[in-house]
Amino acid sequence: AQTVTQSQPEMSVQEAETVTLSCTYDTSESDYYLFWYKQPPSRQMILVIRQEAYKQQNATENRFSVNFQKAAKSFSLKISDSQLGDAAMYFCAYRSAEDSNYQLIWGAGTKLIIKP
Amino acid sequence: DADVTQTPRNRITKTGKRIMLECSQTKGHDRMYWYRQDPGLGLRLIYYSFDVKDINKGEISDGYSVSRQAQAKFSLSLESAIPNQTALYFCATRGGTGADTEAFFGQGTRLTVV
Repeated sequence: AQTVTQSQPEMSVQEAETVTLSCTYDTSESDYYLFWYKQPPSRQMILVIRQEAYKQQNATENRFSVNFQKAAKSFSLKISDSQLGDAAMYFCAYRSAEDSNYQLIWGAGTKLIIKP
Repeated sequence: DADVTQTPRNRITKTGKRIMLECSQTKGHDRMYWYRQDPGLGLRLIYYSFDVKDINKGEISDGYSVSRQAQAKFSLSLESAIPNQTALYFCATRGGTGADTEAFFGQGTRLTVV
């Protein structure tokens, strides 16, 4: 069974600085997708970025980028120029491309605190 | 209006009571999901449905039941609530059949069982 591990329960960063959130996963599959979701205090789960395992190029969405290391099964999220609105819980999630159920497997989350 | 709406947003109920959490969506998606979020555990799948006639158990379905009344509506029931069902519950939808398609979430229902 696949598992997703986020080893940092909480991270803090100074506003305008860069922060990296870690995520590792365990799978025997070769085709899958990885996601980062943001959960602000409003509780809404918002997709931040996604990465397909077959794509070597790291995904980027504005100030958000990932460092995808397939061999190491690592999928970290880098937030550049941190803003107060980035404060939230961040969840890493895995979805197999080989399972017709396409269920998301979630990490436990990392709470990101932005210091003004 | 939100694409995925959950009601109620917060609820306190007593042990042994039956409670229903409702979810409706305007995205026209076939696939709907119920998740439970507990601190330190992330989200865990309770039930999922690929269409009105297709309902499947997830990782932690014991103590829960669901009903897919229409394509747009998917309800979660706790037949006899117990305190360890205190959690934040999310409904989600997904369109398309590919593994890369985005899931859209409601704003969650915070349920407290006393």
